[in-house]
Amino acid sequence: EVQLVESGGVGVQPGGSLRLSCAASGFMFDDYTMHWVRQGPGKGLEWVSLISWDGVRTYYADSVKGRFTISRDNRKNSLYLQMNNLRTEDTASYFCAKSLSGSGSVLESWGQGTLVTVSS
Amino acid sequence: QSALTQPASVSGSPGQSITISCTGTSSDVGGYNYVSWYQQYPGKAPKLIIYEVTNRPSGVSNHFSGSKSGNTAFLTISGLQAEDEARYYCSSYTNRRGVVFGGGTKLTVV
Repeated sequence: EVQLVESGGVGVQPGGSLRLSCAASGFMFDDYTMHWVRQGPGKGLEWVSLISWDGVRTYYADSVKGRFTISRDNRKNSLYLQMNNLRTEDTASYFCAKSLSGSGSVLESWGQGTLVTVSS
Repeated sequence: QSALTQPASVSGSPGQSITISCTGTSSDVGGYNYVSWYQQYPGKAPKLIIYEVTNRPSGVSNHFSGSKSGNTAFLTISGLQAEDEARYYCSSYTNRRGVVFGGGTKLTVV
């Protein structure tokens, strides 16, 4: 069974930094593109970033480009999101998601999310 | 990346069919057959129900179906059931190599 467990969400002040982690199990982690998606309180889903299976290709939403960095450690079956220069509008639940085999843009399985609150 | 356009809400009675639209551009929905639909209950993670416009993942009920015409994709739910009441999101691959979501549609089964 695929399991994705996010961690690292806490309260932080504007301008601060945070690193989210996602522990994956139940599948061959290094075969799949992985994503981060966020959802602000009472808002819709917003795609944040993706990373290819080998970590070579990364893409970002314009809203986080230059501030967030996605990475992965295939030896540890883990996905990360380094978030710098955080803004109040970054407040959201952050989900990691596994892509569908052969369709990197399809988010087949999701974690339960970790809440990031940016506030002074 | 601009969000795909979905109606904010739709409603239907048990047993009826409803359709939710998802409008993008030739850079996303219209340019690729990589439209997905997700179902989300309050406080829960989204669940994939349709991918690549028309395909259903294993275990997803066949009363969900998808289609596309030009820059607009559609999710049809036939034989509405009370448990279909949820929020539905479309997404698409974009030519900027990322993913874009719609704003979400709240389905009410009245």
